[in-house]
Amino acid sequence: DAKTTQPPSMDCAEGRAANLPCNHSTISGNEYVYWYRQIHSQGPQYIIHGLKNNETNEMASLIITEDRKSSTLILPHATLRDTAVYYCIVRPNFSDDKIIFGKGTRLHILP
Amino acid sequence: DTEVTQTPKHLVMGMTNKKSLKCEQHMGHRAMYWYKQKAKKPPELMFVYSYEKLSINESVPSRFSPECPNSSLLNLHLHALQPEDSALYLCASSQDPSGGARETQYFGPGTRLLVL
Repeated sequence: DAKTTQPPSMDCAEGRAANLPCNHSTISGNEYVYWYRQIHSQGPQYIIHGLKNNETNEMASLIITEDRKSSTLILPHATLRDTAVYYCIVRPNFSDDKIIFGKGTRLHILP
Repeated sequence: DTEVTQTPKHLVMGMTNKKSLKCEQHMGHRAMYWYKQKAKKPPELMFVYSYEKLSINESVPSRFSPECPNSSLLNLHLHALQPEDSALYLCASSQDPSGGARETQYFGPGTRLLVL
């Protein structure tokens, strides 16, 4: 089973920052937080991942709380092309290749 | 370049047909994966290949037969499928099978399969 809880859907105005929350209250010390998104009828696209520290790349920022029980994905300036299902995934850091997807958040960017 | 390619994009087959899905990556990745995604559901893992050997089979019916002929190529052979097998079939790859969660998986665009 997925170890994360996300809101089923969110709206965000174009040009604004989209903040997508994820709850992973049972996360353990060696587990990574990953974010993927899936635009309609395409394969999942990797966005970002982190262990303890906040991370930023050209697509997004990942803010992980100090107790690691929740995180927020931030898309700084949302565009219509960011409309997608966003998956927050917790992956254990041992030799296990599995990704278990939860239901994700359907993000609608409004013009 | 983080590209995983899949062919065909779309496939329609009858329940008595035999067909194959193909996945290719040229990133030097040594782990490759097949996922199945039903409409409005998240992807579900089917198989994992590590260094061209099958390492995980998630209790997939034998009418799905994976094959990894070399480190760049992954096939999924289909035989005697049922209409409920209609789905998007996704391939993914990652660099080091022993890297666990430190290794990012990169997905292809998928093959949309319809079984009549």
